[in-house]
Amino acid sequence: AQKVTQAQTEISVVEKEDVTLDCVYETRDTTYYLFWYKQPPSGELVFLIRRNSFDEQNEISGRYSWNFQKSTSSFNFTITASQVVDSAVYFCALSEAGTGANNLFFGTGTRLTVIP
Amino acid sequence: GAGVSQSPSNKVTEKGKDVELRCDPISGHTALYWYRQSLGQGLEFLIYFQGNSAPDKSGLPSDRFSAERTGGSVSTLTIQRTQQEDSAVYLCASSPYPGYNSPLHFGNGTRLTVT
Repeated sequence: AQKVTQAQTEISVVEKEDVTLDCVYETRDTTYYLFWYKQPPSGELVFLIRRNSFDEQNEISGRYSWNFQKSTSSFNFTITASQVVDSAVYFCALSEAGTGANNLFFGTGTRLTVIP
Repeated sequence: GAGVSQSPSNKVTEKGKDVELRCDPISGHTALYWYRQSLGQGLEFLIYFQGNSAPDKSGLPSDRFSAERTGGSVSTLTIQRTQQEDSAVYLCASSPYPGYNSPLHFGNGTRLTVT
């Protein structure tokens, strides 16, 4: 079973629209971190945010906001007033407590296209 | 500061040839990962190095793939007798410490094309 599910393979929005990227995770651990990464056309994945399992506070950073809900095992990412520069592939990741690579799981990514 | 550096950025090779891909992690980062990203696909874990510990090779797809990390710094991923299905972008990432709360810092990747 997938540890991290990003059901939306591709999304297209018109500039200035809001868009939410979904991420659902699965774990039996009580201690874990969730991450979002952005991969622009240049190819380099860029770390955006991490959230630990004990902190369900939503976070806002400029036009970006994240909604973490343990009750639904979701960590959704919303971009407000989207811009063309937001066009990228976005990856959600889960890291379970531990120090090995076998504790880190990526979703398959959501490709966001913002149309001018 | 300097990020994760990968070379070459692009590599075209003929089927059956060997290739070496290089990763120079951020100085001081103890953990190093290799991932493979095929066209339109997610990240496929290949191998993980942590300090002087034995690497986690559980993601290597076949014995044609191997990797080394010398002196706890630079890493080389070697693919022997390349096949067309090896065509992909190979991403390297490092993190300052092992542990589940450490974000990864990625390089730009090496795009490998096997003809």
